[in-house]
Amino acid sequence: SQQGEEDPQALSIQEGENATMNCSYKTSINNLQWYRQNSGRGLVHLILIRSNEREKHSGRLRVTLDTSKKSSSLLITASRAADTASYFCATDGGSSNTGKLIFGQGTTLQVKP
Amino acid sequence: DAMVIQNPRYQVTQFGKPVTLSCSQTLNHNVMYWYQQKSSQAPKLLFHYYDKDFNNEADTPDNFQSRRPNTSFCFLDIRSPGLGDAAMYLCATSRDFASGDKTQYFGPGTRLLVL
Repeated sequence: SQQGEEDPQALSIQEGENATMNCSYKTSINNLQWYRQNSGRGLVHLILIRSNEREKHSGRLRVTLDTSKKSSSLLITASRAADTASYFCATDGGSSNTGKLIFGQGTTLQVKP
Repeated sequence: DAMVIQNPRYQVTQFGKPVTLSCSQTLNHNVMYWYQQKSSQAPKLLFHYYDKDFNNEADTPDNFQSRRPNTSFCFLDIRSPGLGDAAMYLCATSRDFASGDKTQYFGPGTRLLVL
């Protein structure tokens, strides 16, 4: 079964608001990544957080990781219409000698202008 | 710009008619992956190549095959497409596993329609 579960499945907000998405996983990990997918397109890497990190920032993105709860959150601040996309978390499932990723089911974010 | 290219972007095939999807990369990455993504679902890894070493996922149907003739190109062959194989097929690359960079770089995908 897929490693990650994401919550909520769908999120609709107004431009300028913050969006928070959550991801839970089942096994130990070395790192967790977040990807964005615009409709009908490939995935784009957003940010990677290592298992020994608790928080990471990149522009308007803030990612937290709680390995004790096996969960992560992605916060997008001051959202824009262009942030409308699906967001996936992905983990390595604890394997450091392969590049395999296990994706969560994704959160579909709609930002209304 | 270095990138991952997939052709065609849209592919229509008939039930049972073999089809090949192609992927090329200018990133010179060791690893290439093929994912299947159905509507509103997560990408599902079918297989990957580490250089010339082929690694099949246990639950990938035999109907799906892959070829990597050189570093830059990788092909996905579907021998006898069924209606259930209609999906977006995503190609991705990454650097050597030992590099520490776990990022995967995705192509735009090929949407396959089976009639």
